[in-house]
Order: sequence, then structure tokens, then C-alpha cells
Amino acid sequence: DQQVKQNSPSLSVQEGRISILNCDYTNSMFDYFLWYKKYPAEGPTFLISISSIKDKNEDGRFTVFLNKSAKHLSLHIVPSQPGDSAVYFCAASGGEKGAQKLVFGQGTRLTINP
Amino acid sequence: NAGVTQTPKFQVLKTGQSMTLQCAQDMNHNSMYWYRQDPGMGLRLIYYSASEGTTDKGEVPNGYNVSRLNKREFSLRLESAAPSQTSVYFCASTPGWGDWGYTFGSGTRLTVV
Repeated sequence: DQQVKQNSPSLSVQEGRISILNCDYTNSMFDYFLWYKKYPAEGPTFLISISSIKDKNEDGRFTVFLNKSAKHLSLHIVPSQPGDSAVYFCAASGGEKGAQKLVFGQGTRLTINP
Repeated sequence: NAGVTQTPKFQVLKTGQSMTLQCAQDMNHNSMYWYRQDPGMGLRLIYYSASEGTTDKGEVPNGYNVSRLNKREFSLRLESAAPSQTSVYFCASTPGWGDWGYTFGSGTRLTVV
């Protein structure tokens, strides 16, 4: 049972345009959501997060939107740059006392074309 | 540089062999984790240690054991490797309660033939 789903395995975007990565979740107890970025042969690195009490969080070129009723979140990257080419993982947590366990989606490979 | 160090980076095992994946962090973090990454599956939690002296099973613990040797080190052991354990393994750490600042190591690519 995949509690966090990224239904697009890959996405190709022109440099300078907006990249939108999507993520759906099924567990209504999740209350914290994160995006990680991963380059080949490296570990994932934290990008941006959002708490369930908010519906938007912005950090420079990166914005995460949360729609709790639809159990959906998205990551917007504007403008997209070649260095943004990587695999992006959505992750979620909540509903368990004391544990900081993250549940990850399958990942979306983003390619930014010059 | 401060961070999470994993050894080895690559390993090939024969079915039935055993090995230990090492992980050490120098950030004084309380919690440590082992994840595996498989194509189309994302990262799945194998075991975690919320604090020194405690370990708990994650989503996919079968075939693995762990040891939280001290606050810095958290090892993952495969007692009898199987081809299904071919994967990339990531160790991560966080400061502790309420802080989601996962820091990941660069991974160990394991192939079981």
C-alpha cells in the first residue's frame, strides 16, 4: 500500500519555465510534508517543507502547495534552471507518537532542457 | 565536512554471504535511520534508532539486523544476503524530536548475485 504517490516518473521542462511536480497521499494522519532532491551517486538533500496548518510555503524559486481536502501537494520551481535537473522525492510523516519516520514517494526525475 | 559517512560505497556479495554496512555521523544527532532505494519504489525505511540504545523496525525489516553502537554509529547487517536485497542503501540522521532535518549519507550500492 503506497501511502505517498508520485504518479509521474519523469518530467521535462524548458529552462526558464515553471516546473510543477505533484504528490498524492492517502493517510489522513500525515501532518508534515517535505520535498527532497537527489543527484546521481549522492544522498537526498532537503529542499522545502510544509506543515498541515499551512497551504503554501515559499523559499526563493521553490514553492510548495498543500491541498488537504484533496490529499495533494505540489512543488513549483520558477524559473527552472539546468541545475534543477535531479530526482525529486515527496515525503510525509505524522500520526505516530514520537517517531520521526518519513514515508517517501517513488520520485520524479526532472530534466531541464536548455 | 560534517555529515553522514557510509562505508563501503559499493559491494558485490554472493547469495548467502553476510556483511555489515557502516554508518557514522558527526553532528551529535540523536536519531538515525536506514533506508533502501529501489527503482519505482522510492525510499523505504528498514530500521531506525530514535536515540542511543534503542532500535525499531521500519517498513521492510526482514533479512536485516541493526546495531546502534554509540551515539555516532548505526550499522546494518545482512546475515544471509539474497538477490532481493540488491539495492542502494542510505543512512540518515536527525537531531531528534520535532526536527525534520534529515541528513543523508551518499549511499551504498549493494549487488547480490
